[in-house]
Amino acid sequence: GIQVEQSPPDLILQEGANSTLRCNFSDSVNNLQWFHQNPWGQLINLFYIPSGTKQNGRLSATTVATERYSLLYISSSQTTDSGVYFCAVPRGGSQGNLIFGKGTKLSVKP
Amino acid sequence: DAGVIQSPRHEVTEMGQEVTLRCKPISGHDYLFWYRQTMMRGLELLIYFNNNVPIDDSGMPEDRFSAKMPNASFSTLKIQPSEPRDSAVYFCASRAAGANVLTFGAGSRLTVL
Repeated sequence: GIQVEQSPPDLILQEGANSTLRCNFSDSVNNLQWFHQNPWGQLINLFYIPSGTKQNGRLSATTVATERYSLLYISSSQTTDSGVYFCAVPRGGSQGNLIFGKGTKLSVKP
Repeated sequence: DAGVIQSPRHEVTEMGQEVTLRCKPISGHDYLFWYRQTMMRGLELLIYFNNNVPIDDSGMPEDRFSAKMPNASFSTLKIQPSEPRDSAVYFCASRAAGANVLTFGAGSRLTVL
């Protein structure tokens, strides 16, 4: 089945710094989503981005489907950005049967 | 919109006891998913429903697990009997037909002693 790998596994930033998180996937996909799991465990969808680039405030994401990777950019990081960032792709044709990567744990220090 | 509602938020039980987790999806969402999150296995899909009908239960670990969706606004995930290895956070998620984005509930943290 499709494999999803995220890097780095852990990231520590000083508040205000920028960062790039990466997600590689082993097969072509028509759906890729980025989620943020906050320190209280809540999973929040950040982006649905099967291809191209999207921006939402200080966050942006780019997916290059032909090269099977996606990047999540966080600019001017804040302590509230801390948590785990997951990318997820569908298994087969099911849009809901998402396969999650192991995540990148981000800690932003004040 | 109150989002996806799960209960209980925390459950501590003893091995062998029955556990029932509950989920109310977002009104109008046709798909409902149960995920489990553990340190070892990460987030994995257990089962999902479309219009109250189970579509794929291949992720359900064993017969001790069962899930039902008696109507469009309610689903349960039951573990009987529970074992310590079932300790995890169980998430429910829903989405509308034709939509791509899942909305997750806050999760139910289960601890089996």
